[in-house]
Amino acid sequence: QKEVEQDPGPLSVPEGAIVSLNCTYSNSAFQYFMWYRQYSRKGPELLMYTYSSGNKEDGRFTAQVDKSSKYISLFIRDSQPSDSATYLCAMSAQSGTYKYIFGTGTRLKVLA
Amino acid sequence: NAGVTQTPKFQVLKTGQSMTLQCAQDMNHEYMSWYRQDPGMGLRLIHYSVGAGITDQGEVPNGYNVSRSTTEDFPLRLLSAAPSQTSVYFCASSVSATNEKLFFGSGTQLSVL
Repeated sequence: QKEVEQDPGPLSVPEGAIVSLNCTYSNSAFQYFMWYRQYSRKGPELLMYTYSSGNKEDGRFTAQVDKSSKYISLFIRDSQPSDSATYLCAMSAQSGTYKYIFGTGTRLKVLA
Repeated sequence: NAGVTQTPKFQVLKTGQSMTLQCAQDMNHEYMSWYRQDPGMGLRLIHYSVGAGITDQGEVPNGYNVSRSTTEDFPLRLLSAAPSQTSVYFCASSVSATNEKLFFGSGTQLSVL
């Protein structure tokens, strides 16, 4: 069993929809969580960073952590065709960039 | 401000050949790292450096060497290429090893025949 699991998709939604992207994990010690967005043939870029449980909002993006269920989510409101990309989750038990475990990514397509 | 620059963008090698993937950043970042990205595997850390002259192994270091003689450059050397090293390679940097925001380059797509 992988430490971090992500549905690879693709997930196709119409423009304007609310998108929910999810990761599950097995290590209960994880407490640092990140979401990256990766456009085709580009490097990932950091979208959201959260520590421990709770929600964090940034514009149309909301990151949610449920440590009791070992489950994190990224919600995208009013999705746009420009949101079409692969979304990677990453997590770690300790602070330190080199300690992060990345998910395999979920490919999202937002249809105009 | 170019950020993280990787060269080449594409490379085809024959088994047994050696080559160096170049990575340079102009943000004065202390921390630099190399990842490989394979279908169904996610990003996996190969080597990292917390500052000039300091390097360490990541999750999948075998078959790769690194050095960090300057703050700006962090080349990745494939000593004797194998088909299992066919992958997309990303260089990434951050202000420090404890700063979670990684800046990634655009990647090098490597095929080993």
